[in-house]
Amino acid sequence: AQKITQTQPGMFVQEKEAVTLDCTYDTSDQSYGLFWYKQPSSGEMIFLIYQGSYDEQNATEGRYSLNFQKARKSANLVISASQLGDSAMYFCAMREGRGGGADGLTFGKGTHLIIQP
Amino acid sequence: KAGVTQTPRYLIKTRGQQVTLSCSPISGHRSVSWYQQTPGQGLQFLFEYFSETQRNKGNFPGRFSGRQFSNSRSEMNVSTLELGDSALYLCASSSWDPRVDTQYFGPGTRLTVL
Repeated sequence: AQKITQTQPGMFVQEKEAVTLDCTYDTSDQSYGLFWYKQPSSGEMIFLIYQGSYDEQNATEGRYSLNFQKARKSANLVISASQLGDSAMYFCAMREGRGGGADGLTFGKGTHLIIQP
Repeated sequence: KAGVTQTPRYLIKTRGQQVTLSCSPISGHRSVSWYQQTPGQGLQFLFEYFSETQRNKGNFPGRFSGRQFSNSRSEMNVSTLELGDSALYLCASSSWDPRVDTQYFGPGTRLTVL
């Protein structure tokens, strides 16, 4: 079974609209971290936001917020007021365990987001 | 603070050759991880090093190996290259701190095997 599922292969969104990128995960660990990365066409993976499994508040970083629903095992990324520069691949990832001894990141297949003017 | 650096950025090799890729982590980061990205398989974890020791390993054949030096810089080596090894190889560093778990990635090395 896939550990990270991103069900939207591609999305077209109008500039300035809000965007929600879906991510569901599967783990039996109690301690884990969830991450979102952005990958422009240049290839570099840019860290956007992190949510720990024990964090009670949803994470926010500027225009990015993470809608964390632990019981449903979902960690959707919300981008407010989208910009043309937001066009990129977006990956949801999970790291089971915490810090030392944790596993490597497991990535979803990504969502290709295109912002239209 | 300088980010993660990877060299070379692009590499072309032929089948059967071997290749070494280099990664310098963010200053102060002691953990380095390597990932392979291909259109077919997506992003896959290769291995992670901390304090010159391999801590975790993904599901890759023994042709893929790595090491970490005392200054936390890391290299990965792929021997007997196959066409399927063509990929973007990404290195990431982190502080190995349970409170701050984020991996920061470098720009990647794009390897083409002919």
